[in-house]
Amino acid sequence: GAVVSQHPSRVICKSGTSVKIECRSLDFQATTMFWYRQFPKQSLMLMATSNEGSKATYEQGVEKDKFLINHASLTLSTLTVTSAHPEDSSFYICSASGLAGVYNEQFFGPGTRLTVL
Amino acid sequence: GNSVTQMEGPVTLSEEAFLTINCTYTATGYPSLFWYVQYPGEGLQLLLKATKADDKGSNKGFEATYRKETTSFHLEKGSVQVSDSAVYFCALSASGNTPLVFGKGTRLSVIA
Repeated sequence: GAVVSQHPSRVICKSGTSVKIECRSLDFQATTMFWYRQFPKQSLMLMATSNEGSKATYEQGVEKDKFLINHASLTLSTLTVTSAHPEDSSFYICSASGLAGVYNEQFFGPGTRLTVL
Repeated sequence: GNSVTQMEGPVTLSEEAFLTINCTYTATGYPSLFWYVQYPGEGLQLLLKATKADDKGSNKGFEATYRKETTSFHLEKGSVQVSDSAVYFCALSASGNTPLVFGKGTRLSVIA
């Protein structure tokens, strides 16, 4: 299957700083990328959907000014957590789907664990 | 809207036991159905999928059959191993460019 990478895999930061997480599709063009958040022992919650070259669509309750999403190319989307606070500590996972959404499949990155002190 | 309901865990089994994790869905149209597995500290890995009614997805000894009449996609394995201990998520997708809808996940622990 297609490969999606995330960087960094783990990040620890101080409260008030901003953190950028990258999601890359390594061997296919991702027209759509999704960002999910997962709290310990819980399921994935969709944060936003981003289409290349367009503004992201955020789910209800997700602050777009706090979680900035950029999808400037067909292989890269970034999530920036601005002015992070301890409650933003979570596991962030991206997924990507390619042209034509073959087999309705999305490919997941390995996740980024954010800890805000 | 679309939704996925899967049995709550945790599920604890002895090695070589039979596994069933129930999953039912509500959706308009003809979604694709997936099972994902998440090992501790890792992201999600696709375990198997089915794209239309009566399709059977299978991988690593796991199987699930897309049953439209019962709107179900139950995960089964005939003989579990300790290495199968993980969280299993059932999910559906209306299309590749729409987000997946996940169940809440079922934690499986297999003891030797």
